[in-house]
Amino acid sequence: KNEVEQSPQNLTAQEGEFITINCSYSVGISALHWLQQHPGGGIVSLFMLSSGKKKHGRLIATINIQEKHSSLHITASHPRDSAVYICAVPGSYNTDKLIFGTGTRLQVFP
Amino acid sequence: GAVVSQHPSWVICKSGTSVKIECRSLDFQATTMFWYRQFPKQSLMLMATSNEGSKATYEQGVEKDKFLINHASLTLSTLTVTSAHPEDSSFYICSARPSENIQYFGAGTRLSVL
Repeated sequence: KNEVEQSPQNLTAQEGEFITINCSYSVGISALHWLQQHPGGGIVSLFMLSSGKKKHGRLIATINIQEKHSSLHITASHPRDSAVYICAVPGSYNTDKLIFGTGTRLQVFP
Repeated sequence: GAVVSQHPSWVICKSGTSVKIECRSLDFQATTMFWYRQFPKQSLMLMATSNEGSKATYEQGVEKDKFLINHASLTLSTLTVTSAHPEDSSFYICSARPSENIQYFGAGTRLSVL
């Protein structure tokens, strides 16, 4: 069974700060997802990555396959970045089934 | 990016009625769609995997007669909550898979059963 742990659980920041959210998993995977869930509940897929680093705007995701660890970075954070950030990995026995972390609740204050 | 449309976004119904939620992939075909459920401040939990043209695969503990899934085309899957009760009140989210390892999520449907 693949376990997913995220840290921190809650994070507050001032606008403009650099933010890092971490995700660790226990079993080897083919790809890892970073998702964003806004207060209204809708989920947006931010990244799907299997190696190295991806960048989209102010968001950067990195993954270290050997260490079974991924990070999501937000540069120049803004109040509109306030959301829950969730990492998810394929299950060990059924790669279709995503195993979700419990999420990191981010609040960015102006 | 790929778009998955989920409808309705919010529904309130009386106990005992049935509610249908639609999940559509707007710009790609998806042989596989997934239905998730999320209780407040909890992670998403997979309910079932919906495969076009065949029966859905339900996760352990999910009643297939309670949560009817139909995936009649490559762009549409529906989840019907039959005889809804207050304990079925939750946030339901679908995702669609255009290819391996990629899932695009719908915006979710908040169901409140009175």
